[in-house]
Amino acid sequence: AQSVTQLDSQVPVFEEAPVELRCNYSSSVSVYLFWYVQYPNQGLQLLLKYLSGSTLVESINGFEAEFNKSQTSFHLRKPSVHISDTAEYFCAVSEWNQGGKLIFGQGTELSVKP
Amino acid sequence: DTGVSQDPRHKITKRGQNVTFRCDPISEHNRLYWYRQTLGQGPEFLTYFQNEAQLEKSRLLSDRFSAERPKGSFSTLEIQRTEQGDSAMYLCASSFGTAYGYTFGSGTRLTVV
Repeated sequence: AQSVTQLDSQVPVFEEAPVELRCNYSSSVSVYLFWYVQYPNQGLQLLLKYLSGSTLVESINGFEAEFNKSQTSFHLRKPSVHISDTAEYFCAVSEWNQGGKLIFGQGTELSVKP
Repeated sequence: DTGVSQDPRHKITKRGQNVTFRCDPISEHNRLYWYRQTLGQGPEFLTYFQNEAQLEKSRLLSDRFSAERPKGSFSTLEIQRTEQGDSAMYLCASSFGTAYGYTFGSGTRLTVV
């Protein structure tokens, strides 16, 4: 059965520092991978996704994630974070034959300090 | 389109009472999903519909939970004989399909006292 593990529950960083939020998944079939973000008191929003093709995908606000099939990972990175990036980040996986059902990780709370 | 709407935003109920939540998806989306989220956890899959057909229901969903999507439009999630363990945020999402990701509503926060 598919599962998602986010290795860090909390990541505190200073503004303008780089950050990596780690995500590993397990599945026996081809998968699609997603990162969602939940800002304080807001709903979940799609940040970026990997479906196929280039293993490096980018969001419009400077985040990127790289699909590594051999390591079954989909880590999220940003070279320089802003205070406004403070949020909960969720990694999610969908198996290609599961009707779009997403399985989410436990979440990583990113806290950016001035 | 104003996105996915959920009603009510908050619900406080006494243990043993029945509650019903409503979700209005994005009108063009044929798939609708219900999730539950508790503090410090990621969203947990409950059930999903393609048009009006309920295609999958989580084994975590007891018989006290039922969901409908009449005519493939809005959906309702009913919880009968609520228990304190049902306290959570109930999330609805809709989608064109897997490749598009979900659009989530803001959720209904249920507190059972």
